[in-house]
Amino acid sequence: GENVEQHPSTLSVQEGDSAVIKCTYSDSASNYFPWYKQELGKGPQLIIDIRSNVGEKKDQRIAVTLNKTAKHFSLHITETQPEDSAVYFCAQQKQGAQKLVFGQGTRLTINP
Amino acid sequence: GAGVSQTPSNKVTEKGKYVELRCDPISGHTALYWYRQSLGQGPEFLIYFQGTGAADDSGLPNDRFFAVRPEGSVSTLKIQRTERGDSAVYLCASSLSNTGEQYFGPGTRLTVT
Repeated sequence: GENVEQHPSTLSVQEGDSAVIKCTYSDSASNYFPWYKQELGKGPQLIIDIRSNVGEKKDQRIAVTLNKTAKHFSLHITETQPEDSAVYFCAQQKQGAQKLVFGQGTRLTINP
Repeated sequence: GAGVSQTPSNKVTEKGKYVELRCDPISGHTALYWYRQSLGQGPEFLIYFQGTGAADDSGLPNDRFFAVRPEGSVSTLKIQRTERGDSAVYLCASSLSNTGEQYFGPGTRLTVT
């Protein structure tokens, strides 16, 4: 199937600590995995993505890792700041398809 | 540059009425997508346009939903005989190509009373 399971549903960390959100997928034909950040009342904002031909991608404090064998990918945020508080969604796209299939979301709260 | 814009930002309508939701994609983006997001859930795919044609409408829930993109730019999502279950945030996204990153607009919050 095309389901994406995302965990945890809520995550609370102290400012400055790291946060990790994990997603698992079932369709081995999936080859594109973006992460979106959604603030209250706004649309999802693309923050980082990875394609199946690489295992890790980093952009400043944000990194994504992909394990194709285990069919899971993770978002890592280091040195968290209050403005990182939001709902984060993982998604996957199957090769040859255009639609994104989203996870259920993780509400991240950074405690000052 | 300008991002994806959607109008109206909020729409309240009575059950049974017809509504139109508009999306202006990023200039030059050939691919356009509509998603629906219910409270506390991730976005769910509705329909995808490549240029003027609907290349994948497999996510439309029933025949009350229809979308057009007549000139390959602006798109309109049309919902007939609205039901309370149609209440959600309707999101539009666009991408430079059909395999590119998808950029979302702010959404239209539809409430059916």
